[in-house]
Amino acid sequence: AQSVSQHNHHVILSEAASLELGCNYSYGGTVNLFWYVQYPGQHLQLLLKYFSGDPLVKGIKGFEAEFIKSKFSFNLRKPSVQWSDTAEYFCAVSPGSSNTGKLIFGQGTTLQVKP
Amino acid sequence: EPEVTQTPSHQVTQMGQEVILRCVPISNHLYFYWYRQILGQKVEFLVSFYNNEISEKSEIFDDQFSVERPDGSNFTLKIRSTKLEDSAMYFCASTKRAFGTMNTEAFFGQGTRLTVV
Repeated sequence: AQSVSQHNHHVILSEAASLELGCNYSYGGTVNLFWYVQYPGQHLQLLLKYFSGDPLVKGIKGFEAEFIKSKFSFNLRKPSVQWSDTAEYFCAVSPGSSNTGKLIFGQGTTLQVKP
Repeated sequence: EPEVTQTPSHQVTQMGQEVILRCVPISNHLYFYWYRQILGQKVEFLVSFYNNEISEKSEIFDDQFSVERPDGSNFTLKIRSTKLEDSAMYFCASTKRAFGTMNTEAFFGQGTRLTVV
């Protein structure tokens, strides 16, 4: 069965620290990959997405992610976090060649940035 | 920027009661979804809906659940007889095209927190 695994459940960083959140998926075919963020009390927002092409994708607010096909990974990075990055982060995958119409989410990582 | 809206933001209901969660997807979107997140757990797919019928549903989406697009703008999730384990955050989402299509991203609502007591 397809699944998505996020390695870190709760991350605490100081401002200006670098961030890397791990995401691995299990699916043998073509995939579309996403990172969503949910700020407290708000809806899920798309941070970035990968469909094809350059495996290093840049998203909003200085985030980027790298798709490594051989490792089935799509890790999220940011060189220097801010207090406003405190939120929950979700990795998600959808099969790239079907109309299953669904995203498969990881369990989420709560990021707390201390000022 | 267009957005998906959900009402209510929080609903408390007694076990055994029926609840209807409402969503207004983005107006030119054709595919609609419900997801849920039980506290501390993953966001789970419930159902997808296209062309006025369910296109896929998960094991969670049993006979107690139903979806409807009654008037061309609202998209509702009905739970016929709520159980304690239905307590969760329910998210509605919509897409312009099917997920397998290139460059398709989902837009999510802010969620409805359902508490069954």
